[in-house]
Amino acid sequence: EAGVAQSPRYKIIEKRQSVAFWCNPISGHATLYWYQQILGQGPKLLIQFQNNGVVDDSQLPKDRFSAERLKGVDSTLKIQPAKLEDSAVYLCASSLGGDYGETQYFGPGTRLLVL
Amino acid sequence: SQQGEEDPQALSIQEGENATMNCSYKTSINNLQWYRQNSGRGLVHLILIRSNEREKHSGRLRVTLDTSKKSSSLLITASRAADTASYFCATDGRQTGANNLFFGTGTRLTVIP
Repeated sequence: EAGVAQSPRYKIIEKRQSVAFWCNPISGHATLYWYQQILGQGPKLLIQFQNNGVVDDSQLPKDRFSAERLKGVDSTLKIQPAKLEDSAVYLCASSLGGDYGETQYFGPGTRLLVL
Repeated sequence: SQQGEEDPQALSIQEGENATMNCSYKTSINNLQWYRQNSGRGLVHLILIRSNEREKHSGRLRVTLDTSKKSSSLLITASRAADTASYFCATDGRQTGANNLFFGTGTRLTVIP
């Protein structure tokens, strides 16, 4: 079974530029998550989708971050404009249905460096 | 914040020794999970313990949960060099009604061959 795919793996941009990350979840998984992991910290949830609807985006900085999952499969996370403090690893995860206790399967992440 | 904290932040042991990591959290939970993260990689689910369970085993892993103290521990027995990684506890978003995971700060384990 293929895992969660993410691209690109690495990205370096100047502050105030925009960047987009792509995620392809495990086939059949209805729930998709985007996490931000700053160096030395645990992942922090940015947004959770159930199919193509948003379940929770309370920690998403909506003035600069946006995410979509138009057909309920792939998802993109965009930052515009980027700030220095956005330097982090962006992890995408998916789970079967989004119920409590479900295992979340993580992709390898996209490492972003904002200069 | 619901984020938990792991203790210690870093742990270095010899291969074959046992490693114990602790996690404390702040709010009531449905379950608590432990994940492993190898350097530069995504997280891998290790084990889940439900709020009505006190102890759970999986291979060389033993997890305990004390909901009265809002704490959990992960024991890795007979450690191997391949166990070198960061370990995170994660609690669910019982307060939010969704399967959000709130991760702790992690314990960085180094197993010396």
